[in-house]
Amino acid sequence: GQQLNQSPQSMFIQEGEDVSMNCTSSSIFNTWLWYKQEPGEGPVLLIALYKAGELTSNGRLTAQFGITRKDSFLNISASIPSDVGIYFCAGLNYGGSQGNLIFGKGTKLSVKP
Amino acid sequence: GAGVSQSPSNKVTEKGKDVELRCDPISGHTALYWYRQSLGQGLEFLIYFQGNSAPDKSGLPSDRFSAERTGGSVSTLTIQRTQQEDSAVYLCASSPGGDPKYFGAGTRLSVL
Repeated sequence: GQQLNQSPQSMFIQEGEDVSMNCTSSSIFNTWLWYKQEPGEGPVLLIALYKAGELTSNGRLTAQFGITRKDSFLNISASIPSDVGIYFCAGLNYGGSQGNLIFGKGTKLSVKP
Repeated sequence: GAGVSQSPSNKVTEKGKDVELRCDPISGHTALYWYRQSLGQGLEFLIYFQGNSAPDKSGLPSDRFSAERTGGSVSTLTIQRTQQEDSAVYLCASSPGGDPKYFGAGTRLSVL
């Protein structure tokens, strides 16, 4: 089946550093979503992208929908300890029903105070 | 509560038994989604409801899995004759429309 390649798998950074993670796909998507999941909880939607080239911010988070429609990145600026968690990208194919998302395997972020 | 509620939070069962997992979405949300998350993996789509009907159930892994939604609200995911490979966290999400926005904390299913 379809796969999303999400990288890096894990990051261990110092508080205050910027973070960048990305997802690539072998097929074209018409929606990219970024979620954060903390232990024992469900994912929380951070940013949704619907148009190629779209750049959207949510506080210290910025995400972009790649112009090829096959990739997306998420940046976190000036990281803080509460940014710790697993970040997932998810994409929706053209013609796919809403909710039938393909998820990456996640980027585990650790922040050292 | 104001969020998506799932019960039970943990379920341990024996191979071959049936289990029912419940999801209470946020009141008024018409869209409801079920996903499965295995250890260290991303989420895997199972089924999507719009109201009481399921336009897309293509993610259900086998005919042992079924789901229903009643009154446009509560949904139940049933797994019959459970197998060890069914062990995972089952997550439910609801949304007023469009993308799955609000997730519950999940039901952790362990099949012995």
